[in-house]
Amino acid sequence: DAKTTQPPSMDCAEGRAANLPCNHSTISGNEYVYWYRQIHSQGPQYIIHGLKNNETNEMASLIITEDRKSSTLILPHATLRDTAVYYCIVRPMDSSYKLIFGSGTRLLVRP
Amino acid sequence: DTGVSQNPRHKITKRGQNVTFRCDPISEHNRLYWYRQTLGQGPEFLTYFQNEAQLEKSRLLSDRFSAERPKGSFSTLEIQRTEQGDSAMYLCASTSDNTEAFFGQGTRLTVV
Repeated sequence: DAKTTQPPSMDCAEGRAANLPCNHSTISGNEYVYWYRQIHSQGPQYIIHGLKNNETNEMASLIITEDRKSSTLILPHATLRDTAVYYCIVRPMDSSYKLIFGSGTRLLVRP
Repeated sequence: DTGVSQNPRHKITKRGQNVTFRCDPISEHNRLYWYRQTLGQGPEFLTYFQNEAQLEKSRLLSDRFSAERPKGSFSTLEIQRTEQGDSAMYLCASTSDNTEAFFGQGTRLTVV
């Protein structure tokens, strides 16, 4: 079973920041937080991951709370192409890279 | 490299028939994964290979399902005696040390 809880849907206006929350209250010290997204009819796409520290890349920023029980994915300037289902995943530090997906958050970016 | 390639993209089959899907991973990736995704749900892990060795199988993978990766490169997923409940998107992903998982676009199976 997925170890994360996400709101089923959210929306934001084009050009504004999209902040997607995720609860992972049972995360252990040897588990990462990963975010993937899935645009309609495509395979999931990696966005970002982190362990303790906040992370930023060309796609998004990841803010992890100090107790690591929750995180927020930030898309700083959402575009219509960011409309997708966003999955927050807790992954152990083993070599298997097995991903346990929940139901994700369906983000709709409005024009 | 064009990424993870899956064939066919779509497959319609009659109940009771056997089907086989193929996945070509990114060439230098040694790990390959199969997932299944039904409408409105996230992908569910089925199995994974490291090189040619199948290291883990989900309980979702009934005895009608078999996956192979004979030379540690491409993989096939076969479903025997298909049932309507097998209708889903079958996703393949690959990775190696120090890279993230890259997914193919999937094979959509419809059992009629």
